[in-house]
Formats: sequence, structure tokens, C-alpha cells
Amino acid sequence: GAGVSQSPSNKVTEKGKDVELRCDPISGHTALYWYRQRLGQGLEFLIYFQGNSAPDKSGLPSDRFSAERTGESVSTLTIQRTQQEDSAVYLCASSSPRTGGGFGGYTFGSGTRLTVV
Amino acid sequence: SQQGEEDPQALSIQEGENATMNCSYKTSINNLQWYRQNSGRGLVHLILIRSNEREKHSGRLRVTLDTSKKSSSLLITASRAADTASYFCATSLNYGGSQGNLIFGKGTKLSVKP
Repeated sequence: GAGVSQSPSNKVTEKGKDVELRCDPISGHTALYWYRQRLGQGLEFLIYFQGNSAPDKSGLPSDRFSAERTGESVSTLTIQRTQQEDSAVYLCASSSPRTGGGFGGYTFGSGTRLTVV
Repeated sequence: SQQGEEDPQALSIQEGENATMNCSYKTSINNLQWYRQNSGRGLVHLILIRSNEREKHSGRLRVTLDTSKKSSSLLITASRAADTASYFCATSLNYGGSQGNLIFGKGTKLSVKP
């Protein structure tokens, strides 16, 4: 598609339930990133996929968080046994060597606003 | 860990005035980028400046980079009400064409009053 698409745009879930967030990157973008943004805060890096390389999971806050990506397409971020502190906007971005490396920037989706009640 | 820190945290100006936001970072970088965010959702890439560049322009935007001071500034000239948003700097540490992740600051909230 023309941009990075994320779904759902909003998700309200009960504490303890699992949630799955989806990201469709721009076609041809080899790199995909997940960030978390709590209310009024900056972006917190979660995980980064680059082509077929092993993902950089260094930002995942706990083992309740995991993410997968199929080839260079869709990615899903899964949060198990959600807690109230997981409430945030989860942002996905993608880039290609021609954009992220120096010619431009990353393209972000509109995010998924997760509320854990 | 926090790499970029924007200053000020909030800025309120009148339409037509210039807005200057600053960003400091801690380690050597490959490039520094500025993004805008409206209403707490997706970020829009504004401009990228590489570590070997000192100044860059894009329309009403002017970015400077001082690697000796590990700082950057974003100037928006002749501001408009539509410029009201949060502005983030982000640094990229990777060299040689690899991408890696961007490390973001906490942002400056700009309010432009008509």
C-alpha cells in the first residue's frame, strides 16, 4: 500500500488477556520497527526486523512481549497477560536502505492505542 | 537509554513568529532526524541531517547540527497554526548503509496561536 497500515487503531482489553497488534509495512521496505509511546512521552524502541536477519529484540520490556514478521511483509506484536502499564500507543515504522540509511526517514503508521482496564 | 533530549519541553508562540527547538544527544551518530507528531499518533518525517553536514533547509524548516557539542536545532520560520504539534529528534547510530533503530527524545510540544 501507499503507507504503513496498523490495526486495530484502538483496542480496549481486560487485564490478563492477550492482544495481537498488526502492522503492514510499505511494500519493498526491508526494515520494520515497533515502538511504544506512553501518554506524553517519547518513543520507546521495542523490536527491529531487517530482512531475513535475526530480529533485534533488545527493547522488549518483558517476556510477555513478542513479535513476528513473515519475510518482508506483515508483522504482529503480541502482548500476553496484559497489564495496565502496557497501556500506550504502539507505533510501527518501516524503511528501506534508500530511505533509512540516509536519503530520507522512516515511515510510521498511525499506531494502535491500547488501553488495558 | 535516552539518547536525544529536546529543549524546551513546551513552546508557545504567535503565528508568524519563528520557533526554535533544540536537541542534545550523548553518543556519536550517523544521522539525526526530526519528526512531527499530531494528536499523539503517527510521526511524520521532516528532515534528516547526516553527521558530516552542518546545516540543511527544507521549505520553512532549517536544521543545524553541531557534532562537537552533540546538539541540533530545528527552526521553523513564519510559523502557522497548522505547525502546532509535538516535534521529536531521533538519532541513528548505524553506519555503512545498515539501518538499525532510531532513538527518540521526549519531544517539544509546540503551540502556535493564531
